[in-house]
Amino acid sequence: EVQLLESGGGLVQPGGSLRLSCAASGFTFSNFAMSWVRQAPGRGLEWVSALSGSGGSTYYADSVKGRFTISRDNSKNRLYLQMSSLGAADTAVYYCAKTEIGGPPGPLDYWGQGTLVTVSS
Amino acid sequence: DIQMTQSPSSLSASVGDRVTITCRASRGISNYLAWYQQKPGKAPKLLIDAASTLQSGVPSRFSGSGSGTDFTLTISSLQPEDVATYYCQKYGSVPLTFGPGTKVDIK
Repeated sequence: EVQLLESGGGLVQPGGSLRLSCAASGFTFSNFAMSWVRQAPGRGLEWVSALSGSGGSTYYADSVKGRFTISRDNSKNRLYLQMSSLGAADTAVYYCAKTEIGGPPGPLDYWGQGTLVTVSS
Repeated sequence: DIQMTQSPSSLSASVGDRVTITCRASRGISNYLAWYQQKPGKAPKLLIDAASTLQSGVPSRFSGSGSGTDFTLTISSLQPEDVATYYCQKYGSVPLTFGPGTKVDIK
């Protein structure tokens, strides 16, 4: 059974940094691209970033480019999102999601339950 | 970047009704279109990819169609458990843009 479990969310001050982690199990982690998707309170879904199975290719939404860094440790079956220069607009539930097949620009067939990031003073 | 729009933004229908949600891409995306269902307080669930391929375990009352710029998600007979927000998403190239969502509830 595929499982994705996010952690690392919490309250952070504007301008601060935070690292999210996603523990994956139930599939061969290194074979699949992974994404982070966020959802601000009461709002829709926003794709944030994606990473190929090898970790060699990364992709970012314009809204986070230069501030967020996606990475993975295939030996630990973990996905990460390092976030810096955080602002109120980054307040959201952050979901880790697995790409169904192929490269990063694909449908997301499994999702974690999300971790809440709140940016506030 | 390609923009995704959905209509309506919300709808209310009776149990057993046929429900249709429309998604439009600002440029052609072939059939690189997925539909997700998100129930309140839950993570999204992939229902359909490649515009019309139903995921395993998804009830057959759900169906998708379209290609190019215009797509539809149809629920042939609305059930109480279908109350959710539905999102389309274009893929095949980044960014993986989602539509704004359509909230479906029971009248």
